[in-house]
Amino acid sequence: KAGVTQTPRYLIKTRGQQVTLSCSPISGHRSVSWYQQTPGQGLQFLFEYFSETQRNKGNFPGRFSGRQFSNSRSEMNVSTLELGDSALYLCASRTGQSSGANVLTFGAGSRLTVL
Amino acid sequence: QKEVEQNSGPLSVPEGAIASLNCTYSDRGSQSFFWYRQYSGKSPELIMSIYSNGDKEDGRFTAQLNKASQYVSLLIRDSQPSDSATYLCAVNLGGAGGFKTIFGAGTRLFVKA
Repeated sequence: KAGVTQTPRYLIKTRGQQVTLSCSPISGHRSVSWYQQTPGQGLQFLFEYFSETQRNKGNFPGRFSGRQFSNSRSEMNVSTLELGDSALYLCASRTGQSSGANVLTFGAGSRLTVL
Repeated sequence: QKEVEQNSGPLSVPEGAIASLNCTYSDRGSQSFFWYRQYSGKSPELIMSIYSNGDKEDGRFTAQLNKASQYVSLLIRDSQPSDSATYLCAVNLGGAGGFKTIFGAGTRLFVKA
């Protein structure tokens, strides 16, 4: 069973540019969550998508957006990049059932460097 | 107050000792609690989940939950150098949009050979 796949794994952008990251969840998982991880802030919740709808959102500016497609694949976009956006962006999937017990499985992450 | 709080460490223990990692959470309505391990340069992986008050054991790992005190802990017995990693406490928080998983900042554990 394939795991969570994130692309690209590494990318370098300059300030003001935008970036799109992709995440393919485990087959059968309908929920995709995105996190930003930095040394100073740890794992910060960005948003969660379920059945093509944003179900939860963290405290990030509107420059951070996402979407989910009918096959559960998800993309997140960051516009007008700032130096502080340099981070590891992690995607995680789960079945999405309403039970709070179902757990997240993470992808390998996309490391973004903003110059 | 942060939703999930952990001591960032580092916590250093000798090989063979018990490592004790602690976590507190703010939402009294939380029902699901998790411990993830993250090696340097890798993504987090689940090592334990706990949903009821008390202890849950899995091999060398024991998770403890006290909902009245809003406290979760992880004990690692017979610590090995391969246990050296960052341990993340996570809590599922309910809301109108369903559950979201919030992580603590993590505790760095070093096991000295």
